[in-house]
Amino acid sequence: QVQLQESGPGLVKPSETLSLTCTVSGGSIGYYYWSWIRQPPGKGLEWIAYIYYSGTTKYNPSLKSRVTISDDTSKNQFSLKLTSVTDADTAVYYCARGVGSSGWFDFWGQGTLVTVSS
Amino acid sequence: DIVMTQSPDSLAVSLGERATISCKSSQSVLYNSNNRTYLAWYQLKPGQPPKLLIYWASARESGVPDRFSGSGSGTDFTLTISSLQAADVAVYYCQQYYNTPYTFGQGTRLEIK
Repeated sequence: QVQLQESGPGLVKPSETLSLTCTVSGGSIGYYYWSWIRQPPGKGLEWIAYIYYSGTTKYNPSLKSRVTISDDTSKNQFSLKLTSVTDADTAVYYCARGVGSSGWFDFWGQGTLVTVSS
Repeated sequence: DIVMTQSPDSLAVSLGERATISCKSSQSVLYNSNNRTYLAWYQLKPGQPPKLLIYWASARESGVPDRFSGSGSGTDFTLTISSLQAADVAVYYCQQYYNTPYTFGQGTRLEIK
């Protein structure tokens, strides 16, 4: 059974960079699309970006200028960096496995709450 | 972006009764070349990761109880729970994966009446 686990700071100061890592166990990150998705408090889900193990990436245009997604196949991990954060970036951040480049998300991490506050 | 709109925002149904949630997309998510509908449904419970219920609009994910079913095509979709159980209390989201950015509905909160 594939499992995903997010890790990273739970508190980030405004204007700084949010950095999260997702560790995948129970399977290789090869041959799937790996995404970050977030849910601000009281709001819906927002897809942020995906990466394919070949290095292919895709970003939500609404965040593209501030987001970088990367992977480390040797550690079976992928990561998210979001720069110049504001309180609007406070959210539960999920990592998830996508089935294909146009596919649903079949496995998700538990989610990690990141709060932007000074 | 494709806008996904769910209705209602919240729903209260008696145990054992049918629950129906609607989802509309701002454009068709049917890909004509393969006749596939790029629509999924998820269940979110507090403190748990989202759970995939339905993909291709009507294909039930392995392990999902058969009381959950998805239907619809083009721009109008429905998630039906045929006989509501207490364990089904959750927020439900539809999602299109026809193109990026993938987008979700605003969610429907399902409660017991």
